[in-house]
Amino acid sequence: SAVISQKPSRDICQRGTSLTIQCQVDSQVTMMFWYRQQPGQSLTLIATANQGSEATYESGFVIDKFPISRPNLTFSTLTVSNMSPEDSSIYLCSGYRDTEAFFGQGTRLTVV
Amino acid sequence: GENVEQHPSTLSVQEGDSAVIKCTYSDSASNYFPWYKQELGKRPQLIIDIRSNVGEKKDQRIAVTLNKTAKHFSLHITETQPEDSAVYFCAASTGTASKLTFGTGTRLQVTL
Repeated sequence: SAVISQKPSRDICQRGTSLTIQCQVDSQVTMMFWYRQQPGQSLTLIATANQGSEATYESGFVIDKFPISRPNLTFSTLTVSNMSPEDSSIYLCSGYRDTEAFFGQGTRLTVV
Repeated sequence: GENVEQHPSTLSVQEGDSAVIKCTYSDSASNYFPWYKQELGKRPQLIIDIRSNVGEKKDQRIAVTLNKTAKHFSLHITETQPEDSAVYFCAASTGTASKLTFGTGTRLQVTL
């Protein structure tokens, strides 16, 4: 099955700073997705990242807060900007292999 | 947009019993319905999926049924084992390699 390597796996950050999360896929994928999973909750889509175009953000998420890069078909980054404690969550990237969505191992972010 | 509801939120069964988790969706254009298992601290893993042209699909102890008219689908686990204990998420999407809308999750506990 396909593999996504996501890093960092966890981080503790000071409020007001930014963190960039990276996802590397072992093969090309057309679209990558970024989800947030708050403790004990479900997964909520932040944005869809296509190569060569601006990411598409879901309601409640904005580019200034969560800028995304997609420089090629195997790599994407999500930045959580100007962090506050409310941004403490698990962030997951996802891609498709054939028709199956697979996920990175997640980044557990704690903002203090 | 799509809205997926999932019930129950928690489910406790004895080993060997069956477990059923139900989801309803709102968007009649949805045509792909995967189920994910997420163990504590790990990424979601696909366990079974179904497309709208199929009413039922089975894989060993796991089966999924779909009722397009009623817009609901269900996960059935038979002969449950302690290793089935996890959080299960249903999801829906409207196309191949499209964004997923997740249900709220069901915490399944299989007791000895």
